[in-house]
Amino acid sequence: DQQVKQNSPSLSVQEGRISILNCDYTNSMFDYFLWYKKYPAEGPTFLISISSIKDKNEDGRFTVFLNKSAKHLSLHIVPSQPGDSAVYFCAASAISNFGNEKLTFGTGTRLTIIP
Amino acid sequence: ETGVTQTPRHLVMGMTNKKSLKCEQHLGHNAMYWYKQSAKKPLELMFVYNFKEQTENNSVPSRFSPECPNSSHLFLHLHTLQPEDSALYLCASSQDLPRGREYEQYFGPGTRLTVT
Repeated sequence: DQQVKQNSPSLSVQEGRISILNCDYTNSMFDYFLWYKKYPAEGPTFLISISSIKDKNEDGRFTVFLNKSAKHLSLHIVPSQPGDSAVYFCAASAISNFGNEKLTFGTGTRLTIIP
Repeated sequence: ETGVTQTPRHLVMGMTNKKSLKCEQHLGHNAMYWYKQSAKKPLELMFVYNFKEQTENNSVPSRFSPECPNSSHLFLHLHTLQPEDSALYLCASSQDLPRGREYEQYFGPGTRLTVT
């Protein structure tokens, strides 16, 4: 049973418009959420994160929104640029039984920015 | 070298072979991780090492054997694998931060493993 779900495997957005990537989770123990970006032949790279005590975190063109009651988060990219074309992974963090930060990832959404 | 490096980048092995994947981090981090990414499945955590001690084994079969000789190096020893073990194996590292701080893992580029 997937605890972190990204229901859209792909998304195409016109350059300059807003890209919205969505993520849902089921485990209420998650208290920290992250977005990673992955280019082909490279490992995922950290993009932005949000703690469960906040509902919004902004970093330049990237904003993450968290709706705890709906167990939903979203990543907004505005304006979208061709270099944003990549696979975006949502991840959720909780402390494991061994006291580690444990990340659970979604399956990813492939974002394509159309020039 | 900077960041997290992994070798080899591609590996093809038979089911009776023994091979090892290597990961090295140059970030001064204390925690290292092995992940598996199969096609159309999320990244799955396999092992966690914190200060060279294995602190998590996510129900991984014994044909995968990790080794962490120091905080900068992590190996994944492979033997008698199955074709379904073909996947992208990603190594990551992180600073051992207290809760509430910015937390991120830095990933290597991965090893694409094919078991024939």
